[in-house]
Amino acid sequence: DAGVTQSPTHLIKTRGQQVTLRCSPKSGHDTVSWYQQALGQGPQFIFQYYEEEERQRGNFPDRFSGHQFPNYSSELNVNALLLGDSALYLCASSPILADTQYFGPGTRLTVL
Amino acid sequence: SQKIEQNSEALNIQEGKTATLTCNYTNYSPAYLQWYRQDPGRGPVFLLLIRENEKEKRKERLKVTFDTTLKQSLFHITASQPADSATYLCALDISRGDKIIFGKGTRLHILP
Repeated sequence: DAGVTQSPTHLIKTRGQQVTLRCSPKSGHDTVSWYQQALGQGPQFIFQYYEEEERQRGNFPDRFSGHQFPNYSSELNVNALLLGDSALYLCASSPILADTQYFGPGTRLTVL
Repeated sequence: SQKIEQNSEALNIQEGKTATLTCNYTNYSPAYLQWYRQDPGRGPVFLLLIRENEKEKRKERLKVTFDTTLKQSLFHITASQPADSATYLCALDISRGDKIIFGKGTRLHILP
């Protein structure tokens, strides 16, 4: 049983560009959450998707958007990249209303 | 606003001793609190969850306590081993299951 997978592993972009990160949840999980983790900080909640809709959102600007597909996989899109968007982006999945979530290995985004 | 603090950035413990990590929070009454382990460049791994009506939870060499009056959780690793060296994150439920916030983490070094 595969766990949560994310792609790509690493990504380098320049300021102003757009990026799309991908996540496949653990088998049987229908809820996907995205987090941003800056160096030396804890993960910060971006948003959560369930039934292809954004269910909860953290304190992130509209430049951060997402999508969930019928197979429960998800994408995180970031527009107009800033240097401060450089971070590890983590995807976590769970069954809906479950207390525990399982994290993927993350995508390391570097904005130059 | 909700605040969660892990009041040691780094902790050095001699192998075989008990490591104790602290998590304090303000301005909320969470339904539960979680502890995760994170290794460098990897996603967090769920360790333990303790609910608001539980005082203590154990799993093998791990023990978590939860004092809702003090708004504090303690995380203990007994008979610590060098393989326990990692960053440990405390996470707090702030919306009755829909959203959690993380502390910055404590880097634990077990010295051989």
